[in-house]
Amino acid sequence: KNQVEQSPQSLIILEGKNCTLQCNYTVSPFSNLRWYKQDTGRGPVSLTIMTFSENTKSNGRYTATLDADTKQSSLHITASQLSDSASYICVVPSFSGGYNKLIFGAGTRLAVHP
Amino acid sequence: SAVISQKPSRDICQRGTSLTIQCQVDSQVTMMFWYRQQPGQSLTLIATANQGSEATYESGFVIDKFPISRPNLTFSTLTVSNMSPEDSSIYLCSAGQGTTEAFFGQGTRLTVV
Repeated sequence: KNQVEQSPQSLIILEGKNCTLQCNYTVSPFSNLRWYKQDTGRGPVSLTIMTFSENTKSNGRYTATLDADTKQSSLHITASQLSDSASYICVVPSFSGGYNKLIFGAGTRLAVHP
Repeated sequence: SAVISQKPSRDICQRGTSLTIQCQVDSQVTMMFWYRQQPGQSLTLIATANQGSEATYESGFVIDKFPISRPNLTFSTLTVSNMSPEDSSIYLCSAGQGTTEAFFGQGTRLTVV
């Protein structure tokens, strides 16, 4: 069964600290993995898209890693800011019925405190 | 990239009534999707809005409850029919081209009283 699992479910850190969020997937065949940030009351916004051949990809203070062999990804946030407080969702497309259907993780709810 | 405008952003509705949510994309897109997000949960796909044909619904969602229109490649509507408090949720429109990036509207927060 195609699944995406994220950990931890929630996380509290102090402003300025770093943190790492985890994502494990069982989706096959694999095409890409995406990390989204969802602020409360808003739609998800893309942070990174990683394909099979990419191991690391950065977007400002966000760095995503991908290990396609172990089917694991991580999202590292450096020097956290209060505005980083949000849910971070790992998403992997699953090809089904002639098109890619997105498989969503449950998300990690991050709270950055001053 | 694509910019998606979704409205209304929020609404409070009486049970038994219906609400139509509109989704406008600033460019033509092949695929449009409708999702539901319960509080504290991740997104659940309701259906794929197909241009010129009937929407494709996921298990647990039916056309009578969630009729969808897709008159062209930039616009779609989702109607939540005969609402009950259990329909209180965030409804999100999404557009994407398959293997490429998916973009999301800002969501419609629906409360049924």
